[in-house]
Formats: sequence, structure tokens, C-alpha cells
Amino acid sequence: SQTIHQWPATLVQPVGSPLSLECTVEGTSNPNLYWYRQAAGRGLQLLFYSVGIGQISSEVPQNLSASRPQDRQFILSSKKLLLSDSGFYLCAWSVRRESDTQYFGPGTRLTVL
Amino acid sequence: RKEVEQDPGPFNVPEGATVAFNCTYSNSASQSFFWYRQDCRKEPKLLMSVYSSGNEDGRFTAQLNRASQYISLLIRDSKLSDSATYLCVVLNQAGTALIFGKGTTLSVSS
Repeated sequence: SQTIHQWPATLVQPVGSPLSLECTVEGTSNPNLYWYRQAAGRGLQLLFYSVGIGQISSEVPQNLSASRPQDRQFILSSKKLLLSDSGFYLCAWSVRRESDTQYFGPGTRLTVL
Repeated sequence: RKEVEQDPGPFNVPEGATVAFNCTYSNSASQSFFWYRQDCRKEPKLLMSVYSSGNEDGRFTAQLNRASQYISLLIRDSKLSDSATYLCVVLNQAGTALIFGKGTTLSVSS
């Protein structure tokens, strides 16, 4: 069966510090991968999606970036965090040719102080 | 108009009650629809897909009205364990991303 991992589970970072969140998927090949953010009191917002290694599409302009160095690895990064980057970051995957049903990882709760 | 709109609630119901959630979406070209469930501080989990003909999974029934761009979720015989936030979700027209509503909070009490 497929599983999706995210780490760390929680993170507290100062404003201006860098960020790296990692997501890996097991039990499937060539998945679509997604990064979402859920800010307090707001709905989930798609940040990035990837259909393959090195292929990243950005949905929202911001100070975050994403990379996919391996088929089942998706990384979310920032060079300098802002207070507004606080939130619950969720990685998700879907079957490449059936992109509708997406499955979420356990998430990383980021607080920027 | 927001892409996906839901009544935020909260809906406070006793055990055994029947409760219905509604959702509207703005893009008439949307093709796929879902209900996800999210427990407090946890990731969303797929509850069920929503099909044009309507579909049922145990105590849960989902309906889609394309003409009115309206989706519903009915929960019968509510259990304490049904307490959660229910997210209405629509696949975007390009088929690349899910658009989430902000969710409807359900609290079932004994």
C-alpha cells in the first residue's frame, strides 16, 4: 500500500530564517505531488504541484519554492521566512493519470516568530 | 463569488441525528467533486467522491446538482466519532489541483 511521509511534524522558526520541508511517498511510482498550505481560519491553498522529476508548477507567487529531486521526493523551501508563512503545510500525492483523488501526508505545523 | 463555498457552521447535533451540509462551486466546467474529512490538527482524509447519480457509503450520502452547481453531504444516525470538519472539494478545470472550501464543522454530542 502507498504511504506518504512528511517531516518535521512541527517547526518553530524565526523570521528571516531558511526553511526546508520534506515529503516522500512509498509504494507508488510516478505520482503527481502537491504542496498545500492551510493558514489559521482559512481553507487549504495549493502552493505547488509536480508531474515529474524537476517539473514544478507554482500556483501562488510567494517567497517559497519547491523541488523534486527524485520521483517520490518533494521538498518545500524558503530562503527567508515571513510571519505570514506560518501555517499547516500538507503534501499530497495522486496517481499520475488519475489526478483527481489526492491523498495527504500528516503535515508540518510551522510557526514563524 | 468564491470558487467553493460552504456554511462554516458549527453544526451541533445530538447522537443519532441526521445532518446535511451544502456546498456551491463557481466553475461550471468542474468535473470531479469530493468530500474530505479533517479532524482537529490532522490532515484531510478522503470521505467520498461525489458522482452525478449520487452515491451512498453506509450512513453517508453525497449528491451533486450540476445545474445548480451544488453539492451536498447527508450524514444519518450521527456518531460522536463523526465530529470533525467536512471539506467540500472540487477539481479545477485543468485537472491539476483540488480547490477546497473552508469546511463545515460538525460537533456530535451525547
